[in-house]
Amino acid sequence: EVQLVESGGGLVQPGSSLKLSCVASGFTFSNYGMNWIRQAPKKGLEWIALIYYDSSNKYYADSVKGRFTISRDNSKNTLYLEMNSLRSEDTAMYYCAKWGEGFDYWGQGVMVTVSS
Amino acid sequence: DIQMTQSPSLLSASVGDRVTINCKASQNINKYLNWYQQKLGEAPKLLIYNTNNLQTGIPSRFSGSGSGTDYTLTISSLQPEDFGTYFCFQHNSWLTFGSGTKLEIK
Repeated sequence: EVQLVESGGGLVQPGSSLKLSCVASGFTFSNYGMNWIRQAPKKGLEWIALIYYDSSNKYYADSVKGRFTISRDNSKNTLYLEMNSLRSEDTAMYYCAKWGEGFDYWGQGVMVTVSS
Repeated sequence: DIQMTQSPSLLSASVGDRVTINCKASQNINKYLNWYQQKLGEAPKLLIYNTNNLQTGIPSRFSGSGSGTDYTLTISSLQPEDFGTYFCFQHNSWLTFGSGTKLEIK
């Protein structure tokens, strides 16, 4: 059974940093691209970052480009999202998602709140 | 960027109803269109990929159709567990979601 478990969220002040993790199991992690997607409270879904299976390519939404960094450690079956210069508009539930034909499996999400 | 316009944004229906949700892309997305269901407090779940392919484990009352810029999700006979929010998603050019359709009990 595919499982994705996010961690690392919390309440932080504007301008600060946070690093999210997503531990994968139930599939060969090193064979698949992975993504981060977020959902602001009572809002829609926004894809924010993807990384190829071998980390050879990384792509970002304009809203986070230059502030967020996606990475992975295939030896630990773990995906990361390093978030810097956080803003109030980054407040959201953050999901990691496996790429199959689209996002075929999602974690349960981790909440990030940016507020003073 | 490709914009995805979903309609309706809110849909009230009864158990047993046939329901359709529409998604219109701002340009041709070559059938690279997925549908997701999200229930309150849960992560989205993939229902249909590439317009009309049912994800493993999804009931056959769900179906998808479309081409070019216009796509439709159909639920043939609404069940109590089908209520929630539905999102379309295109992966032809970059990655964008529709704004969602909230399906509620009439």
